[in-house]
Parts: sequence; structure tokens; C-alpha cells
Amino acid sequence: QVQLQQSGTELVKPASSVKISCKASGYTFTSNYMHWIRQQPGNGLEWIGWIYPGNGNTKYNQKFDGKATLTADKSSSTAYMQLSSLTSEDSAVYFCASGYNSGYFDYWGQGVMVTVSS
Amino acid sequence: DVVMTQTPVSLSVSLGGQVSISCRSSQSLVHNNGNTYLSWYLQKPGQSPQLLIYKVSNRFSGISDRFSGSGSGTDFTLKISRVEPDDLGVYYCGQGTQYPYTFGAGTKLELK
Repeated sequence: QVQLQQSGTELVKPASSVKISCKASGYTFTSNYMHWIRQQPGNGLEWIGWIYPGNGNTKYNQKFDGKATLTADKSSSTAYMQLSSLTSEDSAVYFCASGYNSGYFDYWGQGVMVTVSS
Repeated sequence: DVVMTQTPVSLSVSLGGQVSISCRSSQSLVHNNGNTYLSWYLQKPGQSPQLLIYKVSNRFSGISDRFSGSGSGTDFTLKISRVEPDDLGVYYCGQGTQYPYTFGAGTKLELK
């Protein structure tokens, strides 16, 4: 069965960076899009972008240009998202979600809570 | 950006009842390829969202036929029949037609 296993909770300082991971299993990693989605406390869902691990192509929500960088390691079927120049506004739960098609999100990881605090 | 407006914000239902959730988009969701990338997700308390319906009316693998999606263009509806306790949570519509992909603010389904 499809599983997306994300890395653990992060407590990071303002102005720093963090890299979170999403290990995929149960499907062909290189043939599906991997999306990243943010959920701020008490808020709805916000799409950050996708990466297509088969060729490394990416597409970002302009709002996250310069904030998020998506990469993927085909050898370990793991996708990564690095968030930089963190502020308290970046405190949120971040989900990875796979999609056979780029237009919707089939399976979701359990989410990573990132807290930015000094 | 495409704005997705969901109504109502919250909904109370009795077990076994039926409910409808509306989702309206600020622009047509018909893609250049002819598909309409409107999907529905359920986020149960403390869990990740899960895909229920994709491309307006297609139930995802393992999703009960008590869930049905309909609509076209800018106006879409999710219907849930014979509501069960496991259906409770927040429902989101989402569009994957135009970048950036966007979601509605959610509809919370609670027990009456």
C-alpha cells in the first residue's frame, strides 16, 4: 500500500533553515508528482508546489518562491523540502502528498509540525 | 489566484442523514485539456486530509458510494448520504486546474 513517511517535529530559530523529508513506498516514486502543502494553526490548506521526481521538474506557488526549495532523491524514494529565512509566520504543519496527476493529491503524509521560535 | 468559496462553514447532521456542501470557484475550472480538476478532501480530527473525490465526480479508491460529487464550470457540490460517525471532520474542496492550486476554507461536519 502507498505510504508517505515524513520526518519528525522541528523546533527551529528565526532566520534559520529547515529541511524536512517524505519517504515514499508502495508505488513508483518517479512516475508521480510529489506536492507540498502547508496548514497554519487553525487554518486551511495552502499549496506550496510540486516536484516530479522522474525528471526533477518543479513548480512553485509564487508566494513560496525563495522560501521553499523542493528536491527528490530517486535512489531512496525520498522527497525533501527546505524552508529558509524562517519567521514565526512559517510555523505550521507541512504535508507531502503524492499525485499520479498534477491536479489533485492522492495520498498524504502524516505531516511535520515546524515551530519557529527563539 | 482562483478563490474557492465553500458553504456552509459548518454543518450539523444526525447519523443516517444526508448533507450537501457547496464549493464555488472564482474562475472556470475547466482545464485546456478538457478535464475539470476539482477535488474533495476530508480531514478527520488529528489526521492528514484524505482524497475522497477527484475530477468533480470520481470516487477515489476505497471511498464509499455514500459520497458523490457533481457540478461543472464554477459550481460544485459534495453530497454525503447515510452519514456515519467516521464521516465527521472538515471537508475541503480544492482546484488543480490553474496555478497556484487553491483550496476552500473548509466545512466542518458535526453531529447534531
